[in-house]
Amino acid sequence: KQEVTQIPAALSVPEGENLVLNCSFTDSAIYNLQWFRQDPGKGLTSLLLIQSSQREQTSGRLNASLDKSSGRSTLYIAASQPGDSATYLCALGAGSYQLTFGKGTKLSVIP
Amino acid sequence: GAVVSQHPSRVICKSGTSVKIECRSLDFQATTMFWYRQFPKKSLMLMATSNEGSKATYEQGVEKDKFLINHASLTLSTLTVTSAHPEDSSFYICSASREGGTDTQYFGPGTRLTVL
Repeated sequence: KQEVTQIPAALSVPEGENLVLNCSFTDSAIYNLQWFRQDPGKGLTSLLLIQSSQREQTSGRLNASLDKSSGRSTLYIAASQPGDSATYLCALGAGSYQLTFGKGTKLSVIP
Repeated sequence: GAVVSQHPSRVICKSGTSVKIECRSLDFQATTMFWYRQFPKKSLMLMATSNEGSKATYEQGVEKDKFLINHASLTLSTLTVTSAHPEDSSFYICSASREGGTDTQYFGPGTRLTVL
């Protein structure tokens, strides 16, 4: 059974810092990995999707990497802004349509 | 493109009543729709997967008679929480996929259910 761990559970950084969020998983037999953002009481916004054959994806200030052999993914946020404050979830896509989510990292960017 | 809506966004009901939550894909046809629930500080948990015109497939531990799912068209799925109890209070999120399988899932904004 796939297990997804996100560390740290919470992170607070001053505005302008670069930061890295971590996601680790136990089963490397995945189709893809997604990073989501969730604002309090809101649904999910998909940020980046990495297919299993890819190593990384970039969108603006965000860069996500995938290393299946080590069971790790990172989400790098450059030049953080207060508007980046949210909970970030990683999710692994495997067979049978399912996504397995981590518990998320709550990010606070302090102005 | 690929917008998914949910209605209502928030609902408060009395214990014992039934509540229906709608999930719509606004600008695409969704072969497969998914229903998740999220407890505070917990991961999203998949409740069931539904394919248009077929019975939903429920995850282990999810009561199919309590959480009725109907995927009547390629743009609409409904989740009905029957005889709701306070322990059913949660955040329910749907997602929709054009082709299912490993295709991208697009998520709705979620519905906050509070059962008094």
